[in-house]
Amino acid sequence: GQNIDQPTEMTATEGAIVQINCTYQTSGFNGLFWYQQHAGEAPTFLSYNVLDGLEEKGRFSSFLSRSKGYSYLLLKELQMKDSASYLCAALSGTYKYIFGTGTRLKVLA
Amino acid sequence: GAVVSQHPSRVICKSGTSVKIECRSLDFQATTMFWYRQFPKKSLMLMATSNEGSKATYEQGVEKDKFLINHASLTLSTLTVTSAHPEDSSFYICSARDLGGDSRETQYFGPGTRLLVL
Repeated sequence: GQNIDQPTEMTATEGAIVQINCTYQTSGFNGLFWYQQHAGEAPTFLSYNVLDGLEEKGRFSSFLSRSKGYSYLLLKELQMKDSASYLCAALSGTYKYIFGTGTRLKVLA
Repeated sequence: GAVVSQHPSRVICKSGTSVKIECRSLDFQATTMFWYRQFPKKSLMLMATSNEGSKATYEQGVEKDKFLINHASLTLSTLTVTSAHPEDSSFYICSARDLGGDSRETQYFGPGTRLLVL
C-alpha cells in the first residue's frame, strides 16, 4: 500500500535548528518532495530529492535514503515566519503525489 | 515563473447549486493539471488528473458526475461541483507541472478555493 508518516506537531525556538522526519512506503517511488503550507494557503515548493543524499538550499536542506524509505527536512536559523505546516509527498509513478498529513511547526520567540 | 492562479478564492453557496472553480497556469503551458481536496488539518487528497483535450482521470471514490472537470486549453482547467451539499465544503487546490521547466516532476499549486455550502 501507499503510506507516508510524519510527526503531527513540533515546536522549536527562534534561531534554532529543527529536523522534520518522513518515512514512506510507495509503489513506483520516483522522488520525495517537501512543501511548506501556511494556514489557508496553497503549498509552496521547497525541495525535491530523487537520489540519496543531502540537498542544501539556503536555510533549508532535505535528505533522502531510498533504501530506508526515509527523508528529513532540516530548517536552520529558525524564524517566526517558518511557523507553518510542512508536507512530505512521495511521487508514485510519473505524476501522482502521495501526501503525508503534514507537520505543524511552531516557532517560539 | 511557474505561477498557478485559482478563482474564486472563496465561495459560499446554497445547497443544490453548482459551483465552478477555475485553475490557470499564468506563465507556462500545462497539458496536465491536478485537483486536490483538503479537509482541516488533513492531508491533500488527489481527486482527479485533468488532461488537456481529453477526459479527466478520477481517483477511486471520486464521483465524476459530481465533480466535472474540463481542460479546454493549455492554461485553463475548471472544476465544477454539481448539486453541492454541505459535505462538499472543503478547500480545493489545483496544481500543474511545468514540463518545460527545470523539474518536470514538480507540481506548482494554486492558492486554493475555500467552498462553504450552506
